Amino acid sequence: QKEVEQNSGPLSVPEGAIASLNCTYSDRVSQSFFWYRQYSGKSPELIMSIYSNGDKEDGRFTAQLNKASQYVSLLIRDSQPSDSATYLCAVLNQAGTALIFGKGTTLSVSS
Amino acid sequence: EPEVTQTPSHQVTQMGQEVILRCVPISNHLYFYWYRQILGQKVEFLVSFYNNEISEKSEIFDDQFSVERPDGSNFTLKIRSTKLEDSAMYFCASMREEVYGYTFGSGTRLTVV
Repeated sequence: QKEVEQNSGPLSVPEGAIASLNCTYSDRVSQSFFWYRQYSGKSPELIMSIYSNGDKEDGRFTAQLNKASQYVSLLIRDSQPSDSATYLCAVLNQAGTALIFGKGTTLSVSS
Repeated sequence: EPEVTQTPSHQVTQMGQEVILRCVPISNHLYFYWYRQILGQKVEFLVSFYNNEISEKSEIFDDQFSVERPDGSNFTLKIRSTKLEDSAMYFCASMREEVYGYTFGSGTRLTVV
């Protein structure tokens, strides 16, 4: 059973701080990784994808991938109250036929 | 911006009844998916569909479930005989190419009573 693990939180940060969200995955051959944001009662919304080891930046978001350690992270700089949501890590299975999601980390940004 | 459209937004059904959840994927997308999320739990994969056939299905997707793309636009999930434990939010998703990730619809909340 391929697993994606996340700390459920809640992770609480003050407005303007950096939020760091982490994810580990069990399938060593996984190649494609995604971060989604889900507000309560809403559907997942894609934030970023990452495929290569290292960092990928998009605005206030930076995704980091370390395939040797089977670890993906998401940094949110200058956190805003509107960033308060559950962040889902997702890994594409080897066949490329399904995204497997972690349980998500709940982020709370206080003003 | 193109959207994945799901109907109805909320459906209440009696245990043992059949339900059909409907989705209109984004028009130039080729890959289609159904996921479910039981309240407070993780988003779980049900089935993927490409080129008019199922690509992969999970253990959840048993004989009670079926999918269909009856025309060029709709993608449906049928649950033949609903159980209480089928109560969940059901999300349809579609994808053009892997690099763009999945786009999810707003979901159908299914309540089985």
